[in-house]
Amino acid sequence: DAGVIQSPRHEVTEMGQEVTLRCKPISGHNSLFWYRQTMMRGLELLIYFNNNVPIDDSGMPEDRFSAKMPNASFSTLKIQPSEPRDSAVYFCASSGRGQGSYYEQYFGPGTRLTVT
Amino acid sequence: AQKVTQAQTEISVVEKEDVTLDCVYETRDTTYYLFWYKQPPSGELVFLIRRNSFDEQNEISGRYSWNFQKSTSSFNFTITASQVVDSAVYFCALHTGANSKLTFGKGITLSVRP
Repeated sequence: DAGVIQSPRHEVTEMGQEVTLRCKPISGHNSLFWYRQTMMRGLELLIYFNNNVPIDDSGMPEDRFSAKMPNASFSTLKIQPSEPRDSAVYFCASSGRGQGSYYEQYFGPGTRLTVT
Repeated sequence: AQKVTQAQTEISVVEKEDVTLDCVYETRDTTYYLFWYKQPPSGELVFLIRRNSFDEQNEISGRYSWNFQKSTSSFNFTITASQVVDSAVYFCALHTGANSKLTFGKGITLSVRP
């Protein structure tokens, strides 16, 4: 079975540009999570969705960040405009009840974002 | 509110040594789940184990073992005969309540030297 798929794997962009990160969760999972990881702040939950509905976006740092989940198999995290302090690794994870799964999240490989 | 504390930040051992990674959690819920994740230098986060609050049996998987003790709110992870490939950051996490969120600890960086 395919795991969580993220694209791109690496993104280098200039300050002020729009950045869109993409995620395809594991088929059948109904929860999707966006995390950011930096050396200074560790692993931070930005937002999560249940059944395509945003449940908790309290971790989204500011209005420059937005996330959508138009259907069960796709989500985007957009930063507009990007700033150097947004440089981090962004992870997408998914989880789902049933089939012996109890809330464990399966992570994608991450997108390493560098904003210059 | 729930909380996960991984008091050890960095551990360095020589290959073949045993090492225990500590995890202490806080929750008022009686039903909860505990997890360990591994993040090797390549960067991906790998799910290792899930334990629910009603199952205090220790678990062993090869060189890995987990000791869950509700009396001390701890869920410790031991690697026996460590290997260089065990070098990674290890995260403990807690799930409680009806939502899907996990509360992660800050992680422990384990370095295994040859």
